[in-house]
Amino acid sequence: GQQVMQIPQYQHVQEGEDFTTYCNSSTTLSNIQWYKQRPGGHPVFLIQLVKSGEVKKQKRLTFQFGEAKKNSSLHITATQTTDVGTYFCAGPGTNAGKSTFGDGTTLTVKP
Amino acid sequence: DTEVTQTPKHLVMGMTNKKSLKCEQHMGHRAMYWYKQKAKKPPELMFVYSYEKLSINESVPSRFSPECPNSSLLNLHLHALQPEDSALYLCASSQDFLNEQFFGPGTRLTVL
Repeated sequence: GQQVMQIPQYQHVQEGEDFTTYCNSSTTLSNIQWYKQRPGGHPVFLIQLVKSGEVKKQKRLTFQFGEAKKNSSLHITATQTTDVGTYFCAGPGTNAGKSTFGDGTTLTVKP
Repeated sequence: DTEVTQTPKHLVMGMTNKKSLKCEQHMGHRAMYWYKQKAKKPPELMFVYSYEKLSINESVPSRFSPECPNSSLLNLHLHALQPEDSALYLCASSQDFLNEQFFGPGTRLTVL
C-alpha cells in the first residue's frame, strides 16, 4: 500500500533559525496536505498543494510540491516559539477518502 | 461556523462499560472521519462516512461501532474496550474527499 515517509522525526532549533521537514511518498500523489498539531491539540490544516512543482507561501512558511508529485517540503524561516508543534503531511490514498499521514516532524524552539 | 465539536473531552471507562463519543459539524461537509491517535504518532484512520454511508472501515475491531444519524452528526459507540484502546479519538470532516479535513478537538479516552 501507499507509504508516506517524513523526516526528520524531531528537530530542535534556536529561535530565529530556519526549519525544514520533508515528505516522500512511495506513489505519485494527486495532492498533498500539510497539518500542524500543537502540543495537546488537534491537527489544523495549513495548506494543500495540487500542481507539479507548486510553491506556496504563508508568511514565514514555504511549501513545495515536487515535480514528480512524490515529495513535498515545508520550510519555516526564522522560527518563533509559536511554531512549536508537530507538522504532518498527508496524501490521498488509493481508496477515495483514505488519507495517509506521514509520521510527522516535531519541532521544538528554544527561546 | 467552521468548527467540528466533539464530546466528551475526556472519558474514563472500564472494560465492561458501554459509552459513546459524539461529533458534530455544521459546515455542510459530506465526508466525516474517525481517527485514533496514540502519543507521538500520526492520526490513524478508523472509519470514513460519505453522504451518511460508511465507505471505509480500516479493519477496526467490532468493539468500535460507528454511526452517522444525519449529515451533521457522527457517533462512535464503544463496548468492551481494552486498555490498549486508550488514545485520543479525533473526528474530522471535509467537503469531499479532495478537500482539507477539519478536525475536532478530540476525546481523550482512558480504558481501565
